[in-house]
Amino acid sequence: SQQGEEDPQALSIQEGENATMNCSYKTSINNLQWYRQNSGRGLVHLILIRSNEREKHSGRLRVTLDTSKKSSSLLITASRAADTASYFCATDAKGNQFYFGTGTSLTVIP
Amino acid sequence: GAVVSQHPSWVICKSGTSVKIECRSLDFQATTMFWYRQFPKQSLMLMATSNEGSKATYEQGVEKDKFLINHASLTLSTLTVTSAHPEDSSFYICSADDASGRAVDTQYFGPGTRLTVL
Repeated sequence: SQQGEEDPQALSIQEGENATMNCSYKTSINNLQWYRQNSGRGLVHLILIRSNEREKHSGRLRVTLDTSKKSSSLLITASRAADTASYFCATDAKGNQFYFGTGTSLTVIP
Repeated sequence: GAVVSQHPSWVICKSGTSVKIECRSLDFQATTMFWYRQFPKQSLMLMATSNEGSKATYEQGVEKDKFLINHASLTLSTLTVTSAHPEDSSFYICSADDASGRAVDTQYFGPGTRLTVL
């Protein structure tokens, strides 16, 4: 299975702390993406990292990719209550097929 | 399991024409449906949230007059690309939120519609 698996399944932190989520996958990929989903809302694309990239930043987000370990991490720095959501990684191996993981539920306590 | 269908699966049209894409939840009711677009080898981009019986909520940068959304029933949402141009060529995907209470925050994705504008 290509499916990405996020770890941990649930994470609860205090506002201002950093949150780290991990994603592991099984086969070679073209790119890996992270999405956020607030309760009852659609998936919102956060960041895409290509297989030849190792690290990418976007605002308070930092994504790393280790293709040798087939894993990626999403770091949210200085978390805010508004960051409370579910976070999914998705792997793209064939250019038009996404395999989503089961997600990490992040709760940021004010 | 819950099934979401889209019609058509692929459409080719001339520049300037309008194209309607349907998204149906086949065995459940969906008060909320989502529309995404995907350019080749790129990510899913949320375009809008379609709410049954009310106006759709569009994401920043998405023209509401260009992409008309109608969610007239609990099983059907339509996306109409008006006056399509070649840059509108993309893969359009819908998802439906099963709000039955059996599953929380579960979205079921349709198979997508490929739009090619000549």
